[in-house]
Amino acid sequence: ETGVTQTPRHLVMGMTNKKSLKCEQHLGHNAMYWYKQSAKKPLELMFVYNFKEQTENNSVPSRFSPECPNSSHLFLHLHTLQPEDSALYLCASSQDVGGRPRREGYEQYFGPGTRLTVT
Amino acid sequence: KNQVEQSPQSLIILEGKNCTLQCNYTVSPFSNLRWYKQDTGRGPVSLTIMTFSENTKSNGRYTATLDADTKQSSLHITASQLSDSASYICVVIPDTGRRALTFGSGTRLQVQP
Repeated sequence: ETGVTQTPRHLVMGMTNKKSLKCEQHLGHNAMYWYKQSAKKPLELMFVYNFKEQTENNSVPSRFSPECPNSSHLFLHLHTLQPEDSALYLCASSQDVGGRPRREGYEQYFGPGTRLTVT
Repeated sequence: KNQVEQSPQSLIILEGKNCTLQCNYTVSPFSNLRWYKQDTGRGPVSLTIMTFSENTKSNGRYTATLDADTKQSSLHITASQLSDSASYICVVIPDTGRRALTFGSGTRLQVQP
């Protein structure tokens, strides 16, 4: 186990539903991330939170809404999704130093992911 | 165009055999490079990390090499086991101060008995 948990592990939802993905890290890290992994594509960074503040949003559609209530928890709220949003959604955490990633030993720890299917 | 290209896309080998996976990148400036192993339905787990000054690093049966001049890295797996069946992802960390990693699409390795 990496110390990052995600729930649910699998989710099937219709295009009109509203659901939320949850991520929790037990590593004492100060940065958390959401990634999307589609089949045969590289991981796509969606959002970055550092000390609970969103620091990056990589042009993600507004139907994805992140929430970071504290440094240990991260949510991804979903509404009116499209079938092409079906993918594995991965959460990760890391320990940033001074707001910048360390040159050596920089590492993101990933959760097991939520397999999302939009019907 | 993705800045990290991996080859082959998929590979099937017999248990006990060796194999080498390739990663070419154009990310610059470059801080370090990492290989991840991702089992089906799981998140990626780090295997090795290499800074631009390192040429080789081993982790058990996994050996990663890096040529910063040609911007190439390889992951060599020795005496493969069935549990090595997974996707192997090359990740380059740019030296820009941003947290974003640049991921390759991965090589899907299947080890058969």
